[in-house]
Amino acid sequence: EPEVTQTPSHQVTQMGQEVILRCVPISNHLYFYWYRQILGQKVEFLVSFYNNEISEKSEIFDDQFSVERPDGSNFTLKIRSTKLEDSAMYFCATQGGGGRLGTDTQYFGPGTRLTVL
Amino acid sequence: AQRVTQPEKLLSVFKGAPVELKCNYSYSGSPELFWYVQYSRQRLQLLLRHISRESIKGFTADLNKGETSFHLKKPFAQEEDSAMYYCALSGRNQGGKLIFGQGTELSVKP
Repeated sequence: EPEVTQTPSHQVTQMGQEVILRCVPISNHLYFYWYRQILGQKVEFLVSFYNNEISEKSEIFDDQFSVERPDGSNFTLKIRSTKLEDSAMYFCATQGGGGRLGTDTQYFGPGTRLTVL
Repeated sequence: AQRVTQPEKLLSVFKGAPVELKCNYSYSGSPELFWYVQYSRQRLQLLLRHISRESIKGFTADLNKGETSFHLKKPFAQEEDSAMYYCALSGRNQGGKLIFGQGTELSVKP
């Protein structure tokens, strides 16, 4: 069964540095999402992406964050200047779409643990 | 306000006992409701969704619009059911973000 993959599995960075988290969606999926989970807290929505543009973003997703799908396969989340409070598990999710039966399910990647020192 | 509440952080039961993981939601409209499960060191996986009304691994969940609840139930818990369980809602079935509850850790003891 196809799966969403994410790299790296763990990223350690210094405060103020830029990080790029990568996700390879399931082939033919149309909707892409990033979520994050700070240790001990709930999974929170960051941003959704469809048809090569952001369709919705949360208050967390400020100017320090950006997403893109540069080569039509990888879906990336960039944090321009990391802060201590960005330390969290970041999950990518993808969804088939197209209105077909069963395409409402979001499939999650294994996550990238980001540690900002 | 859109919100999902899972009141129990931890639920501990013995093998063979019935299990009910509670989930209440607040949403203006008709949301799609889901249960996701996360086994130790694994990714979030969809367990079931209200629209399909199916039973997966013996778990069922009924959407009660009057009580705005979507509790997850299993008549006889197994040790392999031990995991984190997250209730989530979405405003639409295509392209809608998921709003998660805090999660409930289910521990099934032998």
